[in-house]
Amino acid sequence: KAGVTQTPRYLIKTRGQQVTLSCSPISGHRSVSWYQQTPGQGLQFLFEYFSETQRNKGNFPGRFSGRQFSNSRSEMNVSTLELGDSALYLCASSLAGGPSEQFFGPGTRLTVL
Amino acid sequence: KNEVEQSPQNLTAQEGEFITINCSYSVGISALHWLQQHPGGGIVSLFMLSSGKKKHGRLIATINIQEKHSSLHITASHPRDSAVYICAARETSGSRLTFGEGTQLTVNP
Repeated sequence: KAGVTQTPRYLIKTRGQQVTLSCSPISGHRSVSWYQQTPGQGLQFLFEYFSETQRNKGNFPGRFSGRQFSNSRSEMNVSTLELGDSALYLCASSLAGGPSEQFFGPGTRLTVL
Repeated sequence: KNEVEQSPQNLTAQEGEFITINCSYSVGISALHWLQQHPGGGIVSLFMLSSGKKKHGRLIATINIQEKHSSLHITASHPRDSAVYICAARETSGSRLTFGEGTQLTVNP
């Protein structure tokens, strides 16, 4: 069974631009969660989607948004990029969300110049 | 004070040593996760615990719900165990994970 895939793996943008990251969960998994990892803040929860609905959201500004499609694939969007948005963005999928094991993708490394 | 705290932050061991990494949390949880992250960023889920103890190969994870504390043990450590180990608490109030800062483990041959 294929693992969680994320595209693109690397991305360079400039301040003010917007970016869309994609995550394809493991087949059959209906929950996708997104996380941001930076050297200063560590891993932080962005949001979780289950069956196309956002179930939970972390403490991030409205510039960070996401969605989930009927095939469980998910995208996250960051608008008006800031230097501080440079990070590794990870998604993880699980069968049902909640207290179930999460399987992480390789991440998208975003650099904002 | 962080809601999830790990100790130590850095740990260096000799091959074969028994290793313990500790995690304390202050929130109510439905589960506690232990994750492993290698250089390059890939994260692997090692354990998900809600009570008691779990074992997988040389890895053992325990949790004490009353004391809000969990430990990850590695027996007979090996250089390939070198990685960052992260504990994460899944809060009972929702589905979000709150992460510890991670423990950088280096096992020397």
